[in-house]
Formats: sequence, structure tokens, C-alpha cells
Amino acid sequence: NAGVMQNPRHLVRRRGQEARLRCSPMKGHSHVYWYRQLPEEGLKFMVYLQKENIIDESGMPKERFSAEFPKEGPSILRIQQVVRGDSAAYFCASSPDRTAFNYGYTFGSGTRLTVV
Amino acid sequence: DAKTTQPPSMDCAEGRAANLPCNHSTISGNEYVYWYRQIHSQGPQYIIHGLKNNETNEMASLIITEDRKSSTLILPHATLRDTAVYYCIVSSDSWGKLQFGAGTQVVVTP
Repeated sequence: NAGVMQNPRHLVRRRGQEARLRCSPMKGHSHVYWYRQLPEEGLKFMVYLQKENIIDESGMPKERFSAEFPKEGPSILRIQQVVRGDSAAYFCASSPDRTAFNYGYTFGSGTRLTVV
Repeated sequence: DAKTTQPPSMDCAEGRAANLPCNHSTISGNEYVYWYRQIHSQGPQYIIHGLKNNETNEMASLIITEDRKSSTLILPHATLRDTAVYYCIVSSDSWGKLQFGAGTQVVVTP
């Protein structure tokens, strides 16, 4: 049973380009969470999605960032017109349902975005 | 969600027990205590969680004080592979919006 798969592992973009980060949750998991970790900082929640729905996007920057989790395929975190401050590690986690109380979340290995 | 306070770093000798403290004095009745760790450059790994009773699993034990204002994560026999940043998180959010702080950098030495 494969874990949470994120790709690419490393992504380099020039300022102004678009970055697309993919997350395939564990088999049977329909809930996905995205977190961002800036250099030397802790992880910050960005967005929580279920299939075809955004449940909580309170941590998403208001501009340039969007996320989706279509009925088929992986969840995508999209960053338009990247700037140097977007350079960070982006982690995805998944769970079978929304209830956090019974088990922890499984995180992927992350995508390291570098904006040059 | 309640905030947590952890020491920024601690060292532990290989083979010894590592006791990681966490203060959460503003915790409310419906908030759980979660522990995760992050080994360098990897995604966080769930360790254990609890509400009021002490908990144990194959990785660690969690001791929560009776007033729930603090807790201790115990790694019974630390190995070099336990070197990581350990995060103590309290959350009642059923959405899974975990608030990570700075954590404790644990270094296990031979």
C-alpha cells in the first residue's frame, strides 16, 4: 500500500512562471491537506480538500495560489507567477475521513520549490 | 486551538530514554494532544496522540498530567534514527488543521 505520493520532489521555477505540485493520497483516502514549510520554520496549514470540494482554505494566500482535488486524479496545488518568497517545502497529507481524533495523518515526502 | 511550549533542543544518549516535555496550559476539554516528528528533509511522521489517559504504542509513550496542562513524550530506547524535530500539537479541529510550532530538535548521540 503506497503512501502519500508527491511529485515532483524538487521543482525549480523562474520568477513569474507557474508551479504545479501534485499529491496522490493513500489508497482509500479522500481527504487531502496541504502545508507549507518556509526555510527554518515550522509547517503552516494551507488548505483542506475533499474530492471536488474545498473545505477550508483559511491558510492559502489570497492571490496566486489555488488548489483542487478532482474526482479523478491527484490533488494539485498551483502557484501562479511565482516569486522568491514562494521558495519552500510543500507537504501534502491525507486521511480516510475528516475525523482527526482516531488517528494521525500520513504525510508525503514533500516538494521542494526553488524560485530563481 | 491551544498553543504549546517546547524546549528548542535537547540531546539524548543512544539507548537511553528520551523524555520530551510540552506545556499546553490553555488546553480545553475537547482538545487532543498530538505528537509528530520530522526527520531532516522528510514529511512529518505521526507518533501518538491522546486526550486524558496515558497512551503507548510501538513508537512511544505519552504521559498527560491530570490537569492536562502538560505532557511528556517518552522514547523508551532512543536510537540515532530518532534524531529529528519533535512537534507537540493540541487540536480539537476535526478538519485536521494542525498548527505546528517550532518543536524540539532532538539529537541522539552515540
